Amino acid sequence: RKEVEQDPGPFNVPEGATVAFNCTYSNSASQSFFWYRQDCRKEPKLLMSVYSSGNEDGRFTAQLNRASQYISLLIRDSKLSDSATYLCVVIITGRRALTFGSGTRLQVQP
Amino acid sequence: NAGVTQTPKFQVLKTGQSMTLQCAQDMNHEYMSWYRQDPGMGLRLIHYSVGAGITDQGEVPNGYNVSRSTTEDFPLRLLSAAPSQTSVYFCASSSRTGTNEQFFGPGTRLTVL
Repeated sequence: RKEVEQDPGPFNVPEGATVAFNCTYSNSASQSFFWYRQDCRKEPKLLMSVYSSGNEDGRFTAQLNRASQYISLLIRDSKLSDSATYLCVVIITGRRALTFGSGTRLQVQP
Repeated sequence: NAGVTQTPKFQVLKTGQSMTLQCAQDMNHEYMSWYRQDPGMGLRLIHYSVGAGITDQGEVPNGYNVSRSTTEDFPLRLLSAAPSQTSVYFCASSSRTGTNEQFFGPGTRLTVL
C-alpha cells in the first residue's frame, strides 16, 4: 500500500467552478503536510503547507484531519491557469525527505 | 540566485553505459536529495544528503551512487544504465531550518535503450 494515496483524476471542471482534492496517508508518524503543484513536464513547486487548524491562501484552502489521516485541498473560482497536477506530500518523523502521492490532475476548461 | 540547476536536461544512454547527472544549488542549503518520477508512481527518493560529506539511501537507491564533497553540489552517478532507469530525475534542496520547503531543479529526462 502506498504511504500517500490520491485519486489520479483527471478532474475536468469549467472555469469558475469549485473543486476539491483529497489525499490519505497511512503512516501515523507523518508530521508535516504540503500540497505541491506540478505543471506538465516541469518541476514540482510548493503550493501551500497544511496545518491542523486549516489554512487559506487566496482561492486555495487546505485542511488536515489527523484522526482520519486525511488531507484536502479546495480551489474556488477555478482559473485556466490552475490546470496542473496537484501532489499531496508528507514528511514522516525521522525522515527529512518528502513522501509524495502520485498526484491528481486538474484540467480547467473555458 | 539561480536556485537549483541540473544538467543535462535530456540524455539518451545505451544499456550498460555510465553517466553522472549534475545538481548544484546556490542557496547554501544543507539538505539535498535526488528523486525519480515515473508515470503513475509519484516522486520516489533515491539518495539524500544532510550536509557535505554525509549521504544516505532513500527508497530506490539500487544502481545509483552519490557523493557530497561541497555544500553546493550533489551529483548522481548511474553505474551501469538499465532500461528500468528510464525516468525523469529531479534534484531538490532545502534549508535545515525554516519551513521544510524543498526547491526542485528543472529535471533531467533520461532514456536508456
